[in-house]
Amino acid sequence: AQSVTQPDIHITVSEGASLELRCNYSYGATPYLFWYVQSPGQGLQLLLKYFSGDTLVQGIKGFEAEFKRSQSSFNLRKPSVHWSDAAEYFCAVGAGAAGNKLTFGGGTRVLVKP
Amino acid sequence: GAVVSQHPSWVICKSGTSVKIECRSLDFQATTMFWYRQFPKQSLMLMATSNEGSKATYEQGVEKDKFLINHASLTLSTLTVTSAHPEDSSFYICSGASGLTGEQFFGPGTRLTVL
Repeated sequence: AQSVTQPDIHITVSEGASLELRCNYSYGATPYLFWYVQSPGQGLQLLLKYFSGDTLVQGIKGFEAEFKRSQSSFNLRKPSVHWSDAAEYFCAVGAGAAGNKLTFGGGTRVLVKP
Repeated sequence: GAVVSQHPSWVICKSGTSVKIECRSLDFQATTMFWYRQFPKQSLMLMATSNEGSKATYEQGVEKDKFLINHASLTLSTLTVTSAHPEDSSFYICSGASGLTGEQFFGPGTRLTVL
């Protein structure tokens, strides 16, 4: 069975500082990996996804993630955080691209200090 | 990206009543729709997967007679919580997946409070 672990429940970062959110997955085959952001009152928004190819994936809002098969990780990074990045971030793994169900990690809440 | 709406955004009901939540894909056809449940400060847990015109597939531990899912068209799925109890209070989120890309687009969620 697939599973996702996000080791950090909360992260506090200063505005302008870099951010890295950890994600480890367990899946028997090649995983389809996603990062979503959830802001209060809004639906989950896809930041980026990895299906195949280049292991460094660029997403929206200046985020990027790197797939490391040897470490079963898909960590999310942003070089310089903005106050608007304060939100809940979820890593997810899917069995495939075409509408297959997703398994979500527990989420990481990011707080941004001025 | 594609837009998914949910209605209502929040609902309060009495214990024992039934509540229907609608999920609509506004600008694409969702061949598959998913229903999730999210408890406060927790992750999304998949409840069921539905394909248009077919019966929903429920995850283990989810009571199909309590959480009725109907996916009558490519743009509409409904979740009915029957005989709701306070423990059913939660945040319910739907998503629709396009057959073209497979990417899931999420609705804003419906907060259900059962008194």
